[in-house]
Amino acid sequence: EDKVVQSPLSLVVHEGDTVTLNCSYEVTNFRSLLWYKQEKKAPTFLFMLTSSGIEKKSGRLSSILDKKELFSILNITATQTGDSAVYLCAGTLNRDDKIIFGKGTRLHILP
Amino acid sequence: DTGVSQDPRHKITKRGQNVTFRCDPISEHNRLYWYRQTLGQGPEFLTYFQNEAQLEKSRLLSDRFSAERPKGSFSTLEIQRTEQGDSAMYLCASSLITNRPNTEAFFGQGTRLTVV
Repeated sequence: EDKVVQSPLSLVVHEGDTVTLNCSYEVTNFRSLLWYKQEKKAPTFLFMLTSSGIEKKSGRLSSILDKKELFSILNITATQTGDSAVYLCAGTLNRDDKIIFGKGTRLHILP
Repeated sequence: DTGVSQDPRHKITKRGQNVTFRCDPISEHNRLYWYRQTLGQGPEFLTYFQNEAQLEKSRLLSDRFSAERPKGSFSTLEIQRTEQGDSAMYLCASSLITNRPNTEAFFGQGTRLTVV
């Protein structure tokens, strides 16, 4: 069964800290890995990763994929209270581009 | 606003009633997904369409759930004889599937269903 597992499920840190969110996957015919940020309502797209070892970066956020270990991390440096959200990881199957989500990591940044 | 649009945003219904939700994807997107999300969980796959063809329906879905995308544009999700366990956020997403691996999906704001 295809699955995506995220850890930790929740995390509380102080503003300015750096956090690393983990995502492991067991997806048949893996095509890509997606990261989303979900605040109140709709998940918003952050990154899509298809190749191992190539870091994607957007401001204070960065992500990398390890296709050998079936693993990805999302790093957030110099966290701000606005980073508080649920971060979702998802795997895309090569067959039919079905997208499978993990349960998410709930991140709370204390001021 | 040219993003994914869902209607209604909120729905409260009595147990046993039927409800229907609508999703309008981004206009050029050929792929449409439906997910259900409950508190503390990630989006759970329900079904998806490529144009008007329904590709897969989750085994978790009972026969009370049905989805259509008759003209390959908007989609509807119907729940018959609602139960309290159906209370959740129903999310729709769309993407453009091509030969390139650019399969990020864009989500609508969701329809929050409360069954009382």
